[in-house]
Amino acid sequence: DSGVTQTPKHLITATGQRVTLRCSPRSGDLSVYWYQQSLDQGLQFLIQYYNGEERAKGNILERFSAQQFPDLHSELNLSSLELGDSALYFCASSVGMGNTEAFFGQGTRLTVV
Amino acid sequence: GEDVEQSLFLSVREGDSSVINCTYTDSSSTYLYWYKQEPGAGLQLLTYIFSNMDMKQDQRLTVLLNKKDKHLSLRIADTQTGDSAIYFCAENFGAGSYQLTFGKGTKLSVIP
Repeated sequence: DSGVTQTPKHLITATGQRVTLRCSPRSGDLSVYWYQQSLDQGLQFLIQYYNGEERAKGNILERFSAQQFPDLHSELNLSSLELGDSALYFCASSVGMGNTEAFFGQGTRLTVV
Repeated sequence: GEDVEQSLFLSVREGDSSVINCTYTDSSSTYLYWYKQEPGAGLQLLTYIFSNMDMKQDQRLTVLLNKKDKHLSLRIADTQTGDSAIYFCAENFGAGSYQLTFGKGTKLSVIP
């Protein structure tokens, strides 16, 4: 168990809908990262938050947004969902901004039908 | 841009050594990582190596880094059936961040 908790584990929704994925980082970790794992693109970095502020942005679509709350949990919001958004979404956390290690959660598997 | 390449499949017999290879393109990477993903599970960090090191050993795992050729390998000694998983090589391209570029993963199958 990495200590990073993601909910829900599975999510099935229809095209055009909006969903929210939640991540609780390890106790004491200030940074949260979101990654997407899909069959065609592999694992891609989406976005990083550090202590509530956006720190780095990767290949995140404009239809997607994220935030980190004062209690350090983070949410990834996906809207106007398309079939191609079906993927495994991982959250990771680390103590600081650029540590040698980050710990991944179990992921949320999103299926868009 | 950054790119990490791995072979997709590797099959070994139980008890043999496994060697998973990876090439990367970003010479400014400071750390390179190996992650393991078992079916239905998250990503487990196995080990990492700093870019100024040539080798790192951790129990059954040996990481070799050839910075000149941008080649990274993971050797698993005495491979067990529990080692069957997908192994991802990753490089950290983000300064002051943990922005990883992952390879597509190598599926290791261990034959009893």
